Amino acid sequence: GAVVSQHPSRVICKSGTSVKIECRSLDFQATTMFWYRQFPKQSLMLMATSNEGSKATYEQGVEKDKFLINHASLTLSTLTVTSAHPEDSSFYICSARDSGVPDTQYFGPGTRLTVL
Amino acid sequence: SQQGEEDPQALSIQEGENATMNCSYKTSINNLQWYRQNSGRGLVHLILIRSNEREKHSGRLRVTLDTSKKSSSLLITASRAADTASYFCATEAPGANSKLTFGKGITLSVRP
Repeated sequence: GAVVSQHPSRVICKSGTSVKIECRSLDFQATTMFWYRQFPKQSLMLMATSNEGSKATYEQGVEKDKFLINHASLTLSTLTVTSAHPEDSSFYICSARDSGVPDTQYFGPGTRLTVL
Repeated sequence: SQQGEEDPQALSIQEGENATMNCSYKTSINNLQWYRQNSGRGLVHLILIRSNEREKHSGRLRVTLDTSKKSSSLLITASRAADTASYFCATEAPGANSKLTFGKGITLSVRP
């Protein structure tokens, strides 16, 4: 089946630094990718929709200047957490929609971000 | 905002028993999907049921959808210890362009 990878799987950084997380669709093209955030023992909250070649669409309450999204190719979207703070510590998961298969979305394995 | 509400929030059963999990939602949907998540891992897609479907099967999984009640159920038959995980329902609304809204999840523990 289709595979979505995320890199890194785990990152620990100091407060004030920026962290970039990559999401790649390995064997299909994805014009649309989604970024979610999940706190421990909670559900996934959609942060933004990443559209190839255009600006991301952010959900209400998500700071676009804080969480920069770039979807420069049909197989790669990046999420940059700028000037990270401890409250940004979370599990970040991306998903990718297969452009050729309707209703299908594949999830990455997630990135655990810990901000000290 | 969250759309789906699963119940129970936690379920503990013996291996071999069936596990039934329910999901209710509030608005119109194109489809409803069930996912599994092992601790600290990504999501695994289990099954998708469209709004014009009432029941689907996939291996030991059976999903039903009642759009009049805005509810769905996931049945796992003959459960195994490996089924221990969190299970989420997610809905896609009309015109949402694949955007999913997840429920809070159900923690299933299958005792060997």
